[in-house]
Amino acid sequence: AQSVTQLDSQVPVFEEAPVELRCNYSSSVSVYLFWYVQYPNQGLQLLLKYLSGSTLVESINGFEAEFNKSQTSFHLRKPSVHISDTAEYFCAVSEGTALIFGKGTTLSVSS
Amino acid sequence: DADVTQTPRNRITKTGKRIMLECSQTKGHDRMYWYRQDPGLGLRLIYYSFDVKDINKGEISDGYSVSRQAQAKFSLSLESAIPNQTALYFCATSDPAAGQLSNTGELFFGEGSRLTVL
Repeated sequence: AQSVTQLDSQVPVFEEAPVELRCNYSSSVSVYLFWYVQYPNQGLQLLLKYLSGSTLVESINGFEAEFNKSQTSFHLRKPSVHISDTAEYFCAVSEGTALIFGKGTTLSVSS
Repeated sequence: DADVTQTPRNRITKTGKRIMLECSQTKGHDRMYWYRQDPGLGLRLIYYSFDVKDINKGEISDGYSVSRQAQAKFSLSLESAIPNQTALYFCATSDPAAGQLSNTGELFFGEGSRLTVL
């Protein structure tokens, strides 16, 4: 069975600093990968996804993630964060019938 | 209106009570899911359904049951609620990923139902 490991439970950063949220998954022949974001007191929204093609995927608000098959990783990055990026971020992998989620990383951006 | 609607949004109940959480969707998806979110544990799958005649247990189905009343409706029941079922519950829908029936694509979530069992 697939598993997802988010290596950091909390990441505090200052505004305009770069950030990387790490995600590793267990190996599989083919895999679909997702990052979801949950703002305070809200549901989950898709941030970006990798299904096939280019290993670098981007979101509309400046985040990007790179699928690395050899390292079984799908780390999320942003070169310059804003206060509004404060949220919980979940990495997920498709395991056939459902998505398996990591335990989440809380990103706290302060001024 | 939201594509995936959950009711109630908040519920406080007592140990031993029967509780039903309801989910309806307008996305036209066949696949529906119930997840539970606990702090520090992420989201864990309770049940899922691929059509009205298909119900499958997830990782943590004990103490829960579900009913798929129609393609658009999927309800979660706690027959006898206990305090460790206090959590945030999410309903979600999806289509197969990239047209492949063997893989699930993006999930579309409702806004969640916060359940507190005293």
